[in-house]
Amino acid sequence: NAGVTQTPKFRILKIGQSMTLQCAQDMNHNYMYWYRQDPGMGLKLIYYSVGAGITDKGEVPNGYNVSRSTTEDFPLRLELAAPSQTSVYFCASSYRAGGSYNEQFFGPGTRLTVL
Amino acid sequence: AQSVTQLDSQVPVFEEAPVELRCNYSSSVSVYLFWYVQYPNQGLQLLLKYLSGSTLVKGINGFEAEFNKSQTSFHLRKPSVHISDTAEYFCAVIPRGDKIIFGKGTRLHILP
Repeated sequence: NAGVTQTPKFRILKIGQSMTLQCAQDMNHNYMYWYRQDPGMGLKLIYYSVGAGITDKGEVPNGYNVSRSTTEDFPLRLELAAPSQTSVYFCASSYRAGGSYNEQFFGPGTRLTVL
Repeated sequence: AQSVTQLDSQVPVFEEAPVELRCNYSSSVSVYLFWYVQYPNQGLQLLLKYLSGSTLVKGINGFEAEFNKSQTSFHLRKPSVHISDTAEYFCAVIPRGDKIIFGKGTRLHILP
């Protein structure tokens, strides 16, 4: 299993440009998440999905959009990039059934700089 | 509101010395508890977790943590650290029925 994969690893954007961060998992997990990590701030949840076709906002959704057309893929779209979106982005997935809760598995991250 | 507090943003410790990384949480409901480790330029990996049962939880790489319900703490310990333990450590809490909450992280510096 490849686990959770993310592309690209690094990207530099100009203000106002758009891009899509790709995330895929091959563990048949139903839950998927996008986080951003800023120095000294821990991880903040941007969006999450409980299954194909279902997404919901996290703590910091403004400026981002997501879709979940398949179980495996959960792309994150940045429209009109701003310097405040300079961060490291992590995708994660987990399996949750009923009242149980399993750990999240993380991708290697995408380091995005907006200039 | 639920929250997770990691009391130290950075912890320096000499190689082969013991270490404790502190984590406290606030929640009005029962919780699941996790510690994750992030090595430089990598994603997060699970170190250990507490879901139920014994309050002393053993994880990978010689780490362990103890759940203390009365003090709402889940401190991470290792009796003897190695240079390879240099990383950032995140405590995380899942209040049952809700989403995961991460602490802000503790950076562990191992001194030779």
